[in-house]
Amino acid sequence: DAGITQSPRYKITETGRQVTLMCHQTWSHSYMFWYRQDLGHGLRLIYYSAAADITDKGEVSDGYVVSRSKTENFPLTLESATRSQTSVYFCASSRHGTGSDQPQHFGDGTRLSIL
Amino acid sequence: GENVEQHPSTLSVQEGDSAVIKCTYSDSASNYFPWYKQELGKRPQLIIDIRSNVGEKKDQRIAVTLNKTAKHFSLHITETQPEDSAVYFCAASEEQLTFGSGTQLTVLP
Repeated sequence: DAGITQSPRYKITETGRQVTLMCHQTWSHSYMFWYRQDLGHGLRLIYYSAAADITDKGEVSDGYVVSRSKTENFPLTLESATRSQTSVYFCASSRHGTGSDQPQHFGDGTRLSIL
Repeated sequence: GENVEQHPSTLSVQEGDSAVIKCTYSDSASNYFPWYKQELGKRPQLIIDIRSNVGEKKDQRIAVTLNKTAKHFSLHITETQPEDSAVYFCAASEEQLTFGSGTQLTVLP
């Protein structure tokens, strides 16, 4: 589904650096999500957004910041990267709310390595 | 919050056999249960979902069953093919999706 794109696909950075992962969707979906995927943990929710300028924390939000000034974009920022944030990050979107049986569509992911 | 447990973590079956993956959830308020398939290096893709007012749903070779009383749901794949090899994730949702830890399914030719 080309409707949701993430950039970059791969990123290597050093501890303490700030890094921003981008997510863009063309479906005009209201809801957008950020997950991280680590071996043995499945997908864990970092942050989500119900609409422009509305964001809320997920299960593992410490160390991350999000913004949503436009409906189509939902960047995720690691303000001071740590090695524990090495992971694969997925962005997703859905038309309506998370509990209202609207399927979430995922981007291709960003593989982030922090040295 | 919601807790989803998924079993088994790995599953190997012969081509043509059936595969069953089971999940349990903790929050009785959860009302939406999707299943995602993720091939190596790819994005998770929705393969089937079920709502809490339905006990079973089928789509060709894939079916999902839900037991609300016991708070568990299962994915059934019949006549497995090598292209079914992937990691499968269950999830449960009342407010946000909570995912299971995944099952690596390998279909042996």
